[in-house]
Amino acid sequence: DAKTTQPNSMESNEEEPVHLPCNHSTISGTDYIHWYRQLPSQGPEYVIHGLTSNVNNRMASLAIAEDRKSSTLILHRATLRDAAVYYCILRLYNFGNEKLTFGTGTRLTIIP
Amino acid sequence: GAGVSQTPSNKVTEKGKYVELRCDPISGHTALYWYRQSLGQGPEFLIYFQGTGAADDSGLPNDRFFAVRPEGSVSTLKIQRTERGDSAVYLCASSLSLADTQYFGPGTRLTVL
Repeated sequence: DAKTTQPNSMESNEEEPVHLPCNHSTISGTDYIHWYRQLPSQGPEYVIHGLTSNVNNRMASLAIAEDRKSSTLILHRATLRDAAVYYCILRLYNFGNEKLTFGTGTRLTIIP
Repeated sequence: GAGVSQTPSNKVTEKGKYVELRCDPISGHTALYWYRQSLGQGPEFLIYFQGTGAADDSGLPNDRFFAVRPEGSVSTLKIQRTERGDSAVYLCASSLSLADTQYFGPGTRLTVL
């Protein structure tokens, strides 16, 4: 499976934008980029996913580099509730690859 | 609507005992997944079901681990002869069908003394 690389931890001030980077230099043409987050004492929660174009939803935006070797999850205005571990995952949509392969993620701390 | 639920939320057992962990998926979801998360690590895949059948059990660490989903809804993860190394949070997820977004439950924290 293609792997992702994320910083172990990041800090951000409350009410400011947060940019969480992810490198995936061995991504294949059919890998989708998924982001999940895990709040303390909870299961992972889906955030967003994309293939080539930038994506927006109510939770976040996903910016994908033109060569697809990296991506950035953008939280437009961080709140204390956004403190979590964020996982960047590559997912190949074909039979036999339905499982998610998590790394260690980025622990995001929000400073009040 | 109701999300994925898991029971018990916490389970403490002694080395060598048998345990069962239960997962109730979101109603109508045909795919169900089990993951295990050790402290400080991301979740690791164990097994997934499409309907009643285990489509991929390649993540089960050994034959002490077994999972069933007899009616295509509720699933039970069974661990025989528990070892201290089995201590972890066991997560269940479900999706409408394979390749759809996975929704996770809160997990069962298993502690083997």
